[in-house]
Amino acid sequence: GNSVTQMEGPVTLSEEAFLTINCTYTATGYPSLFWYVQYPGEGLQLLLKATKADDKGSNKGFEATYRKETTSFHLEKGSVQVSDSAVYFCALSALTGGFKTIFGAGTRLFVKA
Amino acid sequence: DVKVTQSSRYLVKRTGEKVFLECVQDMDHENMFWYRQDPGLGLRLIYFSYDVKMKEKGDIPEGYSVSREKKERFSLILESASTNQTSMYLCASKGARTDTQYFGPGTRLTVL
Repeated sequence: GNSVTQMEGPVTLSEEAFLTINCTYTATGYPSLFWYVQYPGEGLQLLLKATKADDKGSNKGFEATYRKETTSFHLEKGSVQVSDSAVYFCALSALTGGFKTIFGAGTRLFVKA
Repeated sequence: DVKVTQSSRYLVKRTGEKVFLECVQDMDHENMFWYRQDPGLGLRLIYFSYDVKMKEKGDIPEGYSVSREKKERFSLILESASTNQTSMYLCASKGARTDTQYFGPGTRLTVL
């Protein structure tokens, strides 16, 4: 079945450091890929998405590129801020899964001032 | 903006009690979902509904039931709460023609 694997956390960075959170997926066909973010005390919200191979999703300085050849959708940001401290979830939605959204386990990011 | 609200942020119940968690969305979305979130396990789908009075089991429906009598409201019911149902419960909604889910703030349920 469809699945998402993302790097375990927590990830601790200093402010202005470069961020990468790895995400790989297993799915037949052509899934849509997402990154959701959960700030402390809140529900999840969509950060960015990509719907086909080589698409790049971007928002709030975060980027992720849909790589079909490596089945990956890694999240990157060039310079993190304390306010980026949150839990980040990689997810996919595919026709073969009835368009249910499959979430990864989440990666907690701490950014120190 | 889409707004998804959940009836309680924090709830404490005793083993064996019947528990109702309510979720309301204001965007006329056809699809609604209940997840539970546990450390290291991410989000797991309990039940979802694609229309009024329609429901489908998710990946972990045991011990839960749902009700959708109106389009905007989706209720999760724990018939007889147990300690292993202590968790964060998240409700979400999605339109029929989109792939983005909108989440409520969550209910942290503790069963003693």
